[in-house]
Amino acid sequence: AQSVSQHNHHVILSEAASLELGCNYSYGGTVNLFWYVQYPGQHLQLLLKYFSGDPLVKGIKGFEAEFIKSKFSFNLRKPSVQWSDTAEYFCAVRSGSYQLTFGKGTKLSVIP
Amino acid sequence: GAVVSQHPSRVICKSGTSVKIECRSLDFQATTMFWYRQFPKQSLMLMATSNEGSKATYEQGVEKDKFLINHASLTLSTLTVTSAHPEDSSFYICSATQQGTHYGYTFGSGTRLTVV
Repeated sequence: AQSVSQHNHHVILSEAASLELGCNYSYGGTVNLFWYVQYPGQHLQLLLKYFSGDPLVKGIKGFEAEFIKSKFSFNLRKPSVQWSDTAEYFCAVRSGSYQLTFGKGTKLSVIP
Repeated sequence: GAVVSQHPSRVICKSGTSVKIECRSLDFQATTMFWYRQFPKQSLMLMATSNEGSKATYEQGVEKDKFLINHASLTLSTLTVTSAHPEDSSFYICSATQQGTHYGYTFGSGTRLTVV
């Protein structure tokens, strides 16, 4: 079965710091990859997704992610975080079916 | 963009009663809907997948007689928690997708169920 690992449970950064959140998955075949964000008290929102093509994917709010097939990774990055980026971030993978497998999430706290 | 409405957002019920949660796709036809349960500080755990007009497929360990899922139309799926117990208290989230498109997945805002 597919599994998704997010290495950091809680990340604390100061504003303007750079962000990288790790995501690794286990399935070796064709995958679709997603990053979702959940702001406090809100529902999950799609940040970006990778289906095919350029492995460097740009999403909303200045986020990007790079798919590295050889490393089974899809890390999320942002060069300069803002206080408003404080949220929980979930990596998700779809392989073979329409089901998504989620990582456990990474809580990001940005200190002004 | 695609919108999924989930209702109610919060519900408190007495132990032994049943609670119904609705999930509606407002501007697209949701051929497949998913129901998740989210525990505090944990990831979303898939409970079941439902395709319109078919019986839901439950994940291992999820009691299908306790968590009744109906997906009778392309815009509505319901989750009924029957004979609720305090351990059923959780955050339930639905998600919808349209097969064959790159709509991706759209999530509802979730339902906080508290069983007292």
